[in-house]
Amino acid sequence: GEDVEQSLFLSVREGDSSVINCTYTDSSSTYLYWYKQEPGAGLQLLTYIFSNMDMKQDQRLTVLLNKKDKHLSLRIADTQTGDSAIYFCAVSFSGGYNKLIFGAGTRLAVHP
Amino acid sequence: DVKVTQSSRYLVKRTGEKVFLECVQDMDHENMFWYRQDPGLGLRLIYFSYDVKMKEKGDIPEGYSVSREKKERFSLILESASTNQTSMYLCASTPDAGGELFFGEGSRLTVL
Repeated sequence: GEDVEQSLFLSVREGDSSVINCTYTDSSSTYLYWYKQEPGAGLQLLTYIFSNMDMKQDQRLTVLLNKKDKHLSLRIADTQTGDSAIYFCAVSFSGGYNKLIFGAGTRLAVHP
Repeated sequence: DVKVTQSSRYLVKRTGEKVFLECVQDMDHENMFWYRQDPGLGLRLIYFSYDVKMKEKGDIPEGYSVSREKKERFSLILESASTNQTSMYLCASTPDAGGELFFGEGSRLTVL
């Protein structure tokens, strides 16, 4: 079946770039999302990309999609302490939320 | 702003008790979802609803039921709570299948 995998932890220094990676198993994906969860809160949509796109940039965020390798990444430029959170990759395999598969989440720790 | 409100942030119940988790959204969204979040497993879909009185099983429906009597309210029911249902429960809503999911802050349930 479909699967979405992420590494569980990432630690970066304040001001550096962070790159969070995600791989998925099924090539019939339609939408690919990045959600952010701050401590004690629900998830918030950060950005998303359609499967017919290779890249999307939104201020400090850059999303790269390599469909051939089934690899999605989120780059955060000039990482700040406020970026410390859990980042979830989510892939929609049929365009409907009944087939939205979440990764386990990557906990990003930003240190001075 | 869209608001998804989960009535209980923290609950402690005993094995065998019946548990109700309530979720209300204020933006007239058609679609509502209950997820379970566990460390290292990401979010897993329990049940979802595309309309009033309509419900569909997600990936892990066993031990759970739901109720959607009004459009704005989606309830998750544990008929007889068990310790393996100790988890964070997240409710979400969206106006359409390809749109952003709006999450509540979560209900952390501990079953003793």
